[in-house]
Amino acid sequence: QQPVQSPQAVILREGEDAVINCSSSKALYSVHWYRQKHGEAPVFLMILLKGGEQKGHEKISASFNEKKQQSSLYLTASQLSYSGTYFCGTPEGGGGNKLTFGTGTQLKVEL
Amino acid sequence: DTGVSQNPRHKITKRGQNVTFRCDPISEHNRLYWYRQTLGQGPEFLTYFQNEAQLEKSRLLSDRFSAERPKGSFSTLEIQRTEQGDSAMYLCASSLTGTSYNEQFFGPGTRLTVL
Repeated sequence: QQPVQSPQAVILREGEDAVINCSSSKALYSVHWYRQKHGEAPVFLMILLKGGEQKGHEKISASFNEKKQQSSLYLTASQLSYSGTYFCGTPEGGGGNKLTFGTGTQLKVEL
Repeated sequence: DTGVSQNPRHKITKRGQNVTFRCDPISEHNRLYWYRQTLGQGPEFLTYFQNEAQLEKSRLLSDRFSAERPKGSFSTLEIQRTEQGDSAMYLCASSLTGTSYNEQFFGPGTRLTVL
């Protein structure tokens, strides 16, 4: 089953903050976050590992709650370039093999 | 590091024809993945290779689909006897094992339209 993301869509004014949530029905070992602009490939943003390690962009932060099987992506002081569809991805099993992507969150940043 | 490349970027074909796509991963990456994405959905896993070995195939991958990675470098995805339902964006990604993160980097995709 794919992870469920919320909200499905959000519109922000430039400079506002947003939180995107990703919930899984399965135990999570890590969570990958991607942003995809229309007609383009997903771009890697961040990965969070069980135990607290993370790797990603300096201007984007995220949290990972293993017990709740949830992750949240925090976008602060949004810019027009943040617009796109955000997907979380969860690997099967303990390795970093195939990703099951979430339902997606469409983010639009306006002036 | 030139990133993942895919060719062609667009392919229009008639139902029943065969098509082949190519993916060139990031040079040192030993894992290569194929995903399919339809409008409004996230990518769906099709298959992946570690070096030249195809380690897993999704149930989505019917007998009409075949993928190869003959020398552990580039990969090809062939669809035989295409159907209109095959119309989608086909994405390739690569990653490097041996690290904790195993982040996957995607190519620009091949958009297939079956008429």
